Amino acid sequence: SYVLTQPPSVSVAPGKTARITCGGNNIGSKSVHWYQQKPGQAPVLVIYYDSDRPSGIPERFSGSNSGNTATLTISRVEAGDEADYYCQVWDSSSDQGVFGGGTKLTVL
Amino acid sequence: QITLKESGPTLVKPTQTLTLTCTFSGFSLSTSGVGVGWIRQPPGKALEWLALIYWNDDKRYSPSLKSRLTITKDTSKNQVVLTMTNMDPVDTATYYCAHRDDLNPDSCWFDPWGQGTLVTVSS
Repeated sequence: SYVLTQPPSVSVAPGKTARITCGGNNIGSKSVHWYQQKPGQAPVLVIYYDSDRPSGIPERFSGSNSGNTATLTISRVEAGDEADYYCQVWDSSSDQGVFGGGTKLTVL
Repeated sequence: QITLKESGPTLVKPTQTLTLTCTFSGFSLSTSGVGVGWIRQPPGKALEWLALIYWNDDKRYSPSLKSRLTITKDTSKNQVVLTMTNMDPVDTATYYCAHRDDLNPDSCWFDPWGQGTLVTVSS
């Protein structure tokens, strides 16, 4: 089955840029979606179709996808961005949804 | 405004069958492209996709759990039901249902999600 690999943790200072990667075999050929999950809360979609932002998501959140790596970029990081982030794809070959292992973003 | 809410038992015994209901509002599960999925998250662990039902009653299951899962919908009641048989303590998790809306069959993203319901499996 398809595997998505994320770093367990990323740390960034306030005001800086955080980049969270999601690796997968030829992931650039798939649509990647990203979720933010704060403690005790349900996940919230922050990026879909690699780089589209749902309404209400700040422009500081952006995404890209090419080759074997998709990236979620958070610019001008704020304390409120501290959360777990998950990437997700639909694997058409096995007809199933797949989530990455999640990345804990710490704002220093 | 789309909302979803999960309901069901908070505690089940090993070997029992779990039945969870997702009651939603703000959309119709008879509209092309719409679906409802189930995702779970063991305490302190990652999200795991379980199942998805489409507006046309097409269904998809996690291959590793397919033999234990059944997903159904009741469009008139705006509900989706997930059953999982032969529950085990490792199935202890928060179970979420979520809305899907995309005409592209090769893509699936979930927005929004229900609040989740914690199910504990213990004797």
